[in-house]
Amino acid sequence: DTGVSQDPRHKITKRGQNVTFRCDPISEHNRLYWYRQTLGQGPEFLTYFQNEAQLEKSRLLSDRFSAERPKGSFSTLEIQRTEQGDSAMYLCASSPRWVWSRGGTGEAFFGQGTRLTVV
Amino acid sequence: ELKVEQNPLFLSMQEGKNYTIYCNYSTTSDRLYWYRQDPGKSLESLFVLLSNGAVKQEGRLMASLDTKARLSTLHITAAVHDLSATYFCAVPSGGYQKVTFGTGTKLQVIP
Repeated sequence: DTGVSQDPRHKITKRGQNVTFRCDPISEHNRLYWYRQTLGQGPEFLTYFQNEAQLEKSRLLSDRFSAERPKGSFSTLEIQRTEQGDSAMYLCASSPRWVWSRGGTGEAFFGQGTRLTVV
Repeated sequence: ELKVEQNPLFLSMQEGKNYTIYCNYSTTSDRLYWYRQDPGKSLESLFVLLSNGAVKQEGRLMASLDTKARLSTLHITAAVHDLSATYFCAVPSGGYQKVTFGTGTKLQVIP
């Protein structure tokens, strides 16, 4: 399967615990995004990487959240001291690099998501 | 800040009927995406609209983009139950570095 892969698919954790999610993008895509989606809402942008550089972070990404993309390949999203309000679906997406010069569409391809439940 | 609004938020329609979902956005963009999401699942790309006047069709769905009006429509023709899902429009900004999603339209097609 050459799509975006996320792990785990589901995570239940107790409030106050730390959790880490992993995303493996499509191999030729250098752009990687994290989104959060709560029930009945559209996905909300969290952060964006181009290769290993984290170029933009939403104000939704509090100090308890950190994301990395070592070597520009897979990415991890860590939430420290989880709160019940962190319960959501965390979606990862990737898109190819050459949006302008090669007429790319900028279309992002999404993984299956990690559903986090904080109890 | 870019805002993307869809209407209606919820749509219940009978099989065989036609309907249109509207997506309005607040700042200039030359492209727009439509996604479908089934319950508990991730997002599936439906259409990529790349310019003013772009129209794309796939099966019973047709999407169009009017960048001057900052409006996109998703038209459903002769709906079938399999089209039941939530549909999102999404608009890129910041040099395509991020995409802002609309509120979503939950479509329920009743047999």
